[in-house]
Amino acid sequence: EDKVVQSPLSLVVHEGDTVTLNCSYEVTNFRSLLWYKQEKKAPTFLFMLTSSGIEKKSGRLSSILDKKELFSILNITATQTGDSAIYLCAVKITGNQFYFGTGTSLTVIP
Amino acid sequence: DGGITQSPKYLFRKEGQNVTLSCEQNLNHDAMYWYRQDPGQGLRLIYYSQIVNDFQKGDIAEGYSVSREKKESFPLTVTSAQKNPTAFYLCASSRRADVYGYTFGSGTRLTVV
Repeated sequence: EDKVVQSPLSLVVHEGDTVTLNCSYEVTNFRSLLWYKQEKKAPTFLFMLTSSGIEKKSGRLSSILDKKELFSILNITATQTGDSAIYLCAVKITGNQFYFGTGTSLTVIP
Repeated sequence: DGGITQSPKYLFRKEGQNVTLSCEQNLNHDAMYWYRQDPGQGLRLIYYSQIVNDFQKGDIAEGYSVSREKKESFPLTVTSAQKNPTAFYLCASSRRADVYGYTFGSGTRLTVV
């Protein structure tokens, strides 16, 4: 059975801390892995990863994929209160189908 | 501005009633999807449609129904057969070959009272 597992489920940190969010997967026909940020309502796209070992970076956020060990990490450095959100990992299989993880709820305290 | 619109944002339903959630997009996307989000369970696929007048069941289709009579619209009906309908429902759309994932609506929170 295809599955995507995120850890931790929730995390509380202080502003300025660095956090690492994990996403592991077991799927057939892997195509890509995506990270989304969900604040109040609609998830918004962060990164798409298809190749192992190539870091994607956007400001304080970065992500990398390991296709051998079947996981990805999302790093956030120098966290701010605006980073508080649910971070979703999704794995694309065939066509346009995605499997979503449970999400990691991040709370950044001032 | 192009986007995907879900309505209503909040919906209350009495047990035993059917209710329809609206999803409209003006992005000219071919594919549309309905997901359910419960705390601690991520997003689970209910139904999806790759083309007008065609749709497929997702992982948790029981107790739900959809239609796709127009490219822009993909309404979801939560029927009385759905035993635990209280949840947050997200609609999404994408081009058929869109590698960057979905565009999501803002969601509808359904509460059964």
